[in-house]
Amino acid sequence: DVKVTQSSRYLVKRTGEKVFLECVQDMDHENMFWYRQDPGLGLRLIYFSYDVKMKEKGDIPEGYSVSREKKERFSLILESASTNQTSMYLCASSLSEGLFQKTQYFGPGTRLLVL
Amino acid sequence: SQQGEEDPQALSIQEGENATMNCSYKTSINNLQWYRQNSGRGLVHLILIRSNEREKHSGRLRVTLDTSKKSSSLLITASRAADTASYFCATAGNQFYFGTGTSLTVIP
Repeated sequence: DVKVTQSSRYLVKRTGEKVFLECVQDMDHENMFWYRQDPGLGLRLIYFSYDVKMKEKGDIPEGYSVSREKKERFSLILESASTNQTSMYLCASSLSEGLFQKTQYFGPGTRLLVL
Repeated sequence: SQQGEEDPQALSIQEGENATMNCSYKTSINNLQWYRQNSGRGLVHLILIRSNEREKHSGRLRVTLDTSKKSSSLLITASRAADTASYFCATAGNQFYFGTGTSLTVIP
């Protein structure tokens, strides 16, 4: 079974703090994704990566950056957290062929509250 | 912009009844996938239907796809209380878009 883990289930941070969300997958997947999920808006893609050190912007990259130094790990960074970044953050991974066509495997999510 | 839109937004049924959820999308796709999310958890993949397929079954799940109408439906037969969750369609093509989801409540 594919396992995608995220470093925290719940996180509380202050405005202006730098926040790191970590995601690790154990199935040697090439593709990894970060989404945020908000009520009424569904899942929105923040960033994705199709290989180590490669990253591409999704639909809402502003205020975020990512890092993929190892194949199994994809980190989401909030450079200076703001209250409008309070959300559920979901990490996912998938096999390489057809970047956006394969089944995605999700982690349990991190619920971030920015005060 | 979002690609998939589910209908209805919320659905409440009695255990044993069937539940039908619909998804509409806007552009051409390679495949369409349905996912399930239990409250406060990650998404779990349920079923994938390719653009050249019209219907697919998996256990109590039946998915249909009409590419001419750009729509799909997910039918859960003989529902159980454990089916209570949110269900999302996701369209896969040049991008991967999730809909806003249908919240299903199955009353024991």
